Amino acid sequence: EDQVTQSPEALRLQEGESSSLNCSYTVSGLRGLFWYRQDPGKGPEFLFTLYSAGEEKEKERLKATLTKKESFLHITAPKPEDSATYLCAVGRAGNMLTFGGGTRLMVKP
Amino acid sequence: GAVVSQHPSWVICKSGTSVKIECRSLDFQATTMFWYRQFPKQSLMLMATSNEGSKATYEQGVEKDKFLINHASLTLSTLTVTSAHPEDSSFYICSAQTSGRAFSYNEQFFGPGTRLTVL
Repeated sequence: EDQVTQSPEALRLQEGESSSLNCSYTVSGLRGLFWYRQDPGKGPEFLFTLYSAGEEKEKERLKATLTKKESFLHITAPKPEDSATYLCAVGRAGNMLTFGGGTRLMVKP
Repeated sequence: GAVVSQHPSWVICKSGTSVKIECRSLDFQATTMFWYRQFPKQSLMLMATSNEGSKATYEQGVEKDKFLINHASLTLSTLTVTSAHPEDSSFYICSAQTSGRAFSYNEQFFGPGTRLTVL
C-alpha cells in the first residue's frame, strides 16, 4: 500500500531562519512527487513536480529535491508570507495522488 | 492558465437535504476530475475519480449512493451530497487533470474548495 509521511507535523521558524521539510514515501511505481502549498480555507496551490531521483527544482525561496525514498522542501530565509501548510503527494497508477499529512509552517517576523 | 473554480464556496444546509457542488475547469479541458474531502487539520482524502462521460470510480469506504458524481462535460463535474447529515460537514475540494503537453504527467489543479456545514 502506498504511504506518504511528512515531518515535522508543525514547524515554527523565525523570519530568515532556513529549514527543511521532509516527505518520505513508499509507492509501487512512482509517477511523480508533487509539492503543494495550502492556505487556510483554500485549495492546494501547485509548487513543484519531481520525477526522478536527483532532480531538483527551485522557485523563489523554495527548493525541492528528490531521492528514491524521500523528498525535501528547503525554505531559505523564509518570510511570514511563507506561512502555510505544505503538502506532498505521490502520483500513482490511475493518475491519482496520495497525499501526506502535511507540515504546518509558521514564520514569525 | 489551469484555473479551476468551485461553486458555492460555502453552504449551510439542514440535515436530510441534498447539496450540489460544481467544479469547473475555466481555461482547459479536464480529461479527469477528482473529488477530495478534508477535515480540519487533516490532509486531503480522495473520494472519487471521474472521467467525462463515464461513471465515477469511488475509493473504498465512500458511499456512491450518498455522494453522487456527474461529469457531464470536459469542463464541469458536480458532486451531490444526498440526505446530508452533520458528519458530512467538511471541506470538499475538486481537482482537474488534463493530458495536454503543457502539463506534467499526473499534475492536478485544485479548486478553492467548498465548506459544507450540515445543521
